[in-house]
Amino acid sequence: DQQVKQNSPSLSVQEGRISILNCDYTNSMFDYFLWYKKYPAEGPTFLISISSIKDKNEDGRFTVFLNKSAKHLSLHIVPSQPGDSAVYFCAASGNQFYFGTGTSLTVIP
Amino acid sequence: NAGVMQNPRHLVRRRGQEARLRCSPMKGHSHVYWYRQLPEEGLKFMVYLQKENIIDESGMPKERFSAEFPKEGPSILRIQQVVRGDSAAYFCASSAKRDSSGRYFGPGTRLTVT
Repeated sequence: DQQVKQNSPSLSVQEGRISILNCDYTNSMFDYFLWYKKYPAEGPTFLISISSIKDKNEDGRFTVFLNKSAKHLSLHIVPSQPGDSAVYFCAASGNQFYFGTGTSLTVIP
Repeated sequence: NAGVMQNPRHLVRRRGQEARLRCSPMKGHSHVYWYRQLPEEGLKFMVYLQKENIIDESGMPKERFSAEFPKEGPSILRIQQVVRGDSAAYFCASSAKRDSSGRYFGPGTRLTVT
């Protein structure tokens, strides 16, 4: 039972353009959402989060948008850089964290 | 301030052997979480522990898997009589409080069962 879904397994974007990674969830009781970035052979590192009482949170080049009615969140990276190439996981928090399956982002120089 | 440490980074076991994975949380963190990432899948929660207590083990397989976080020393995830399907990356994370923020992950242990 996948409560958090990332339907795009991969995404390629030109350097300097916007990367948009999407995430859908099923449980309306989730109250906190996070994005993690993962390089090969490393553990996930926290990127940005958003509480369910907000609809947007921005940190430098990274912005997370939350649409509670649609149970959808997205991560925008602008401008995208080659170093952003990694797997991005979204996670939703209830009693525990539920992770999506990840989206592999490739930023093409 | 060292981050979350896991060892070994790679572990190879034959079917039927035992696997022990260790996780040392960040300094000052008393909450530890174990996750498993199977090939082509996302991270799946396994168990949440505080010092000497298992708080939530709803993601743990019912048999062969156990976890502990003793008063002294690292948290241990133990898999008895490993099978090929146990091959995965096992990550632990730690936090200072039981809340949604500030959860830091270790580099993971890649278990291969031959």
